[in-house]
Amino acid sequence: QKEVEQDPGPLSVPEGAIVSLNCTYSNSAFQYFMWYRQYSRKGPELLMYTYSSGNKEDGRFTAQVDKSSKYISLFIRDSQPSDSATYLCAMRATLQGAQKLVFGQGTRLTINP
Amino acid sequence: NAGVTQTPKFRVLKTGQSMTLLCAQDMNHEYMYWYRQDPGMGLRLIHYSVGEGTTAKGEVPDGYNVSRLKKQNFLLGLESAAPSQTSVYFCASTSTGLAGGSYNEQFFGPGTRLTVL
Repeated sequence: QKEVEQDPGPLSVPEGAIVSLNCTYSNSAFQYFMWYRQYSRKGPELLMYTYSSGNKEDGRFTAQVDKSSKYISLFIRDSQPSDSATYLCAMRATLQGAQKLVFGQGTRLTINP
Repeated sequence: NAGVTQTPKFRVLKTGQSMTLLCAQDMNHEYMYWYRQDPGMGLRLIHYSVGEGTTAKGEVPDGYNVSRLKKQNFLLGLESAAPSQTSVYFCASTSTGLAGGSYNEQFFGPGTRLTVL
């Protein structure tokens, strides 16, 4: 079983829709939960991060963490064609004293005009 | 600031050939990482470094070697390339940080697309 599971999609929705992206994980030691956005043929860029459980909002994006269920979500409101990208969840763990990120498989999202 | 840069952007190798991928960062970061990204697998950590002169194995280190002779550079070597090493390779860096509630973002380079025939 992978430490982090993410539905790879692809997911295609019309412009303006609310998008929900999710990940589950198995390691209770994870404390930081990240969402990265990766445009085609580019490197991942940090979109949001959350520490422990709770919600965090940044403009049209909301990240939720439920540690009791080991489940995290990213919601995109009023989705735009420019949001079309692959979204990767990531969680921070410690490996031999160093910060290590464990990534989900990534969900490929397309917003149709 | 250029951030994290990677050289080359693309490369095609034949089985058994060797090559070195170069990663450079100008943010004075202590920590550097090499990942590979394959379809349906997400990003997997190959090797990482917590400072100049130090390296450590990640999740999938076999077939790769690394060196960190200068703080700003992290090299990934393939001694004898195999088709299974066809992938997109990403380098990342972050400042020192693991204590308590601090979070330090990992910054990624643009990637190197490697094909091994």
